Amino acid sequence: DQQVKQNSPSLSVQEGRISILNCDYTNSMFDYFLWYKKYPAEGPTFLISISSIKDKNEDGRFTVFLNKSAKHLSLHIVPSQPGDSAVYFCAASGYSGGGADGLTFGKGTHLIIQP
Amino acid sequence: GAVVSQHPSWVICKSGTSVKIECRSLDFQATTMFWYRQFPKQSLMLMATSNEGSKATYEQGVEKDKFLINHASLTLSTLTVTSAHPEDSSFYICSARAISRGTYEQYFGPGTRLTVT
Repeated sequence: DQQVKQNSPSLSVQEGRISILNCDYTNSMFDYFLWYKKYPAEGPTFLISISSIKDKNEDGRFTVFLNKSAKHLSLHIVPSQPGDSAVYFCAASGYSGGGADGLTFGKGTHLIIQP
Repeated sequence: GAVVSQHPSWVICKSGTSVKIECRSLDFQATTMFWYRQFPKQSLMLMATSNEGSKATYEQGVEKDKFLINHASLTLSTLTVTSAHPEDSSFYICSARAISRGTYEQYFGPGTRLTVT
């Protein structure tokens, strides 16, 4: 049973427009969420994170929104650039008294930015 | 900052042999490192959590006697795939959590492609 779901395997967006990637989770114990960008045969690169006490976190062109009641988060990229084309993974973690939990990943969304 | 390296980047081995993969945090100390595995077109799956100076914690379904993990220092963790079989062929990725940063971001290595023939 997948605890982190990214239901769109791929997304195509025109350069300059907004890219919105969605993620849903089922485990209510998750309280920290991260987005990673990944190219084939490379490790994931951290983009942005959000803790459950917030509903929005912004870093440059990247904004993550969290809706706890809906168990849903989204990553907004604006404006989208050709270099943003990659697979984006949503990941979640649960706080354990100062310990570090391994991450639970979604299956990823392949974002394609079209010129 | 927060650079994690892995060695080797790819390895081909014969069935029945053992392979060691190293994961190093280059510019920070990590009390905890994680090992993930990714099969083609699948998500990253957590295999085990490695804590410096103590035994690793394995996820359900991961054989601890097959995937030996050693976290000997605050900057090095190793994963040894023992008696490798073709089904162990996968992309193995480690990550490290920086002690000083006080956040939950995990920084990932570039991954190791293992092919067992």
